Amino acid sequence: EAGVVQSPRYKIIEKKQPVAFWCNPISGHNTLYWYLQNLGQGPELLIRYENEEAVDDSQLPKDRFSAERLKGVDSTLKIQPAELGDSAVYLCASSLGAASDYEQYFGPGTRLTVT
Amino acid sequence: SQQGEEDPQALSIQEGENATMNCSYKTSINNLQWYRQNSGRGLVHLILIRSNEREKHSGRLRVTLDTSKKSSSLLITASRAADTASYFCATDAEGGSEKLVFGKGTKLTVNP
Repeated sequence: EAGVVQSPRYKIIEKKQPVAFWCNPISGHNTLYWYLQNLGQGPELLIRYENEEAVDDSQLPKDRFSAERLKGVDSTLKIQPAELGDSAVYLCASSLGAASDYEQYFGPGTRLTVT
Repeated sequence: SQQGEEDPQALSIQEGENATMNCSYKTSINNLQWYRQNSGRGLVHLILIRSNEREKHSGRLRVTLDTSKKSSSLLITASRAADTASYFCATDAEGGSEKLVFGKGTKLTVNP
């Protein structure tokens, strides 16, 4: 079974440019998460989807970040415009359910560098 | 908000030794999970322990949970160089919401 797929793996952009990340979760997983991970820190939740509905986006900086999950499968996370502080690894994860008693499966992440 | 906090921040041991790392949290939880992250494989789930459980085993891993002390420990026995990674605990967010909150992790180095 294929795991969570993310692309691109690496992205270098100049500040003020837009950038988009793509995630394909494990088949059958209704819950999808986007996390941000800074160096030396644990993942921090940006947004959680249940099927196509964003049920927790309280930590998403909505002035520059947006996300969508069309048809409840693939998802994209966009930053526009990017700032230097956005340099981090962006992780996508999926799970069978939303509660904390479900394990989450993570993709390899996209390492973003903003110059 | 930050819920779990791992200790120590970094740990260096020799192959064959046991490694113990701890996680403390602030408010009551339903479940606690441990994850491993190394450069080659990203974040991988290791074990889940529920609030009504005190100990769980998985291969060379042993996890304990003490809800009275609001703490958990992860023991890796007979460590191998391949165990070199960062280990994170993840708990329910404060207020018992449906999301996991990760700690900052313990960076384990196993020297051959």
